[in-house]
Amino acid sequence: DAKTTQPTSMDCAEGRAANLPCNHSTISGNEYVYWYRQIHSQGPQYIIHGLKNNETNEMASLIITEDRKSSTLILPHATLRDTAVYYCIVRGDNAGGTSYGKLTFGQGTILTVHP
Amino acid sequence: KAGVTQTPRYLIKTRGQQVTLSCSPISGHRSVSWYQQTPGQGLQFLFEYFSETQRNKGNFPGRFSGRQFSNSRSEMNVSTLELGDSALYLCASSLTPLAGGSKTQYFGPGTRLLVL
Repeated sequence: DAKTTQPTSMDCAEGRAANLPCNHSTISGNEYVYWYRQIHSQGPQYIIHGLKNNETNEMASLIITEDRKSSTLILPHATLRDTAVYYCIVRGDNAGGTSYGKLTFGQGTILTVHP
Repeated sequence: KAGVTQTPRYLIKTRGQQVTLSCSPISGHRSVSWYQQTPGQGLQFLFEYFSETQRNKGNFPGRFSGRQFSNSRSEMNVSTLELGDSALYLCASSLTPLAGGSKTQYFGPGTRLLVL
């Protein structure tokens, strides 16, 4: 089952783009990349997910490399309210695998947006 | 559309007691999953219920159990509480079972349990 590696922390200036990297070099062909974030003491909030193609929604953009071994979450205009822990998750989709159907959270990246 | 709700939001218990937590999924969602979050272990999957059946299970002892009702509401029970059970317990719902394909889960605010 694929694991993810993210930087422990990142800083970003308010109004600038925040680019959060994630390495998932052991991802398999049918595993999706999910991004969630968690603001202190709240439940995780879904942001975006993708399989192969780049994705964009009202919150963010997800860029997945062609070999699918890494991805970047982009918050185009970060605000103070975007300060949170961001989790990159590869969801197990192989029947019989120990993480089949589960979201396996790592330690995530603490993003701090400064005024 | 209302989000995932969890009750109670905060709970204090003593060792040896048992506790029941409740989760109401988003209307129309039939899959409910439970997670435990602690500073040391992070977010860990407990189990998933769909159509009143447990579909998937994490690596937790049998003291942790759950059930789902016909209206998709779910309860989680922890018996013989230990100090290490102090955590934020999160419930997440999705339209269909998690296994297979692209499935998005939506989380509730959590129940913060403190065991003294």
